[in-house]
Amino acid sequence: GEDVEQSLFLSVREGDSSVINCTYTDSSSTYLYWYKQEPGAGLQLLTYIFSNMDMKQDQRLTVLLNKKDKHLSLRIADTQTGDSAIYFCAESMNTGFQKLVFGTGTRLLVSP
Amino acid sequence: DTAVSQTPKYLVTQMGNDKSIKCEQNLGHDTMYWYKQDSKKFLKIMFSYNNKELIINETVPNRFSPKSPDKAHLNLHINSLELGDSAVYFCASSPNTGELFFGEGSRLTVL
Repeated sequence: GEDVEQSLFLSVREGDSSVINCTYTDSSSTYLYWYKQEPGAGLQLLTYIFSNMDMKQDQRLTVLLNKKDKHLSLRIADTQTGDSAIYFCAESMNTGFQKLVFGTGTRLLVSP
Repeated sequence: DTAVSQTPKYLVTQMGNDKSIKCEQNLGHDTMYWYKQDSKKFLKIMFSYNNKELIINETVPNRFSPKSPDKAHLNLHINSLELGDSAVYFCASSPNTGELFFGEGSRLTVL
């Protein structure tokens, strides 16, 4: 199927690291993505990783990819209250056209 | 200048009515999408158009009919609205990459 699974909720304190996990389904996905959705808004692309990479770092964000287990994670260092949002992983399905299948979303709550 | 704009932002209507949501993008992208987000925040693709041609049509009831008059516009018309159609509908566009640019969403409530 096309179910991309994430844990529903994560709560951390400001300054801690947050790790959001994702299990995807299509081993032929070329790229995997992390999107952020703030309340009342659409999704915005945060970062992405090419499938032949194991890790990508972008400022406070670190993406880890385990292709064997089809597991993707997003680590946010020094989490701030402004990071509170819903985070979606997404995989691109091998259809010849860009079809993104989004995960179930993880609601991150950062408390002061 | 809003890159992907949807109207209306909120829509409240009775069961059985027909309604439309409009979307416009000024980014020059070739591909546009409609996604549905339910109350649990699950996001499902409904349709995708590339240069006015339908390329993705998920298992969506045929009460939903997308129309793309040109590559900058993708509208969604819904006939005979049902309670289960209540959701937030997101329009998005992309330059044929996995970076999608989303509108702010149109919240549809069917009473």
